[in-house]
Amino acid sequence: SQKIEQNSEALNIQEGKTATLTCNYTNYSPAYLQWYRQDPGRGPVFLLLIRENEKEKRKERLKVTFDTTLKQSLFHITASQPADSATYLCAVPGNQFYFGTGTSLTVIP
Amino acid sequence: NAGVTQTPKFQVLKTGQSMTLQCAQDMNHEYMSWYRQDPGMGLRLIHYSVGAGITDQGEVPNGYNVSRSTTEDFPLRLLSAAPSQTSVYFCASSYWGQGHSGANVLTFGAGSRLTVL
Repeated sequence: SQKIEQNSEALNIQEGKTATLTCNYTNYSPAYLQWYRQDPGRGPVFLLLIRENEKEKRKERLKVTFDTTLKQSLFHITASQPADSATYLCAVPGNQFYFGTGTSLTVIP
Repeated sequence: NAGVTQTPKFQVLKTGQSMTLQCAQDMNHEYMSWYRQDPGMGLRLIHYSVGAGITDQGEVPNGYNVSRSTTEDFPLRLLSAAPSQTSVYFCASSYWGQGHSGANVLTFGAGSRLTVL
């Protein structure tokens, strides 16, 4: 099995700044790691996937890193906007998908 | 392409009643799963299936029953509802195994909000 820990339940940042969210896993190193976004009252939506042999992955203003030595992934949103406000979930596959509890991000105008 | 469809969106039950939450996907995904989400608890896996006729328990299976008779459908049954089962339920599906670029992405339904009085 796998335990996923995400940093602080809530993160508030000013618009235009970079938000950095942390995901740590405790057991085996997964073949890949995923990040999802969840808006209130809706199901999570897939954002990015990074494989174990990739150090970094980018998609527009999003950047994900994967450090198998630290057993950690960092999720960055650069030039943050109020529309980025949501809960972000980290997920690791195994015989099932293991999710962290999520980090709630609020971008303040 | 409808993705993952959950019904009903809202349901109120009395303690002891039974009901079934429906989940259907039209993407030919092998993997289907049910999560519940409670404030501060994140997503907790109830049951999952990696193909028709195959189901397994997740983290919080007690009080719930599933079956997978077809690839498309994965209903979740509450046999005798309890107030502790008040929650938002999400169904999610994905491809499974190495046959799809070796990575599987979950597609979630819109959720079903259940209240047990």
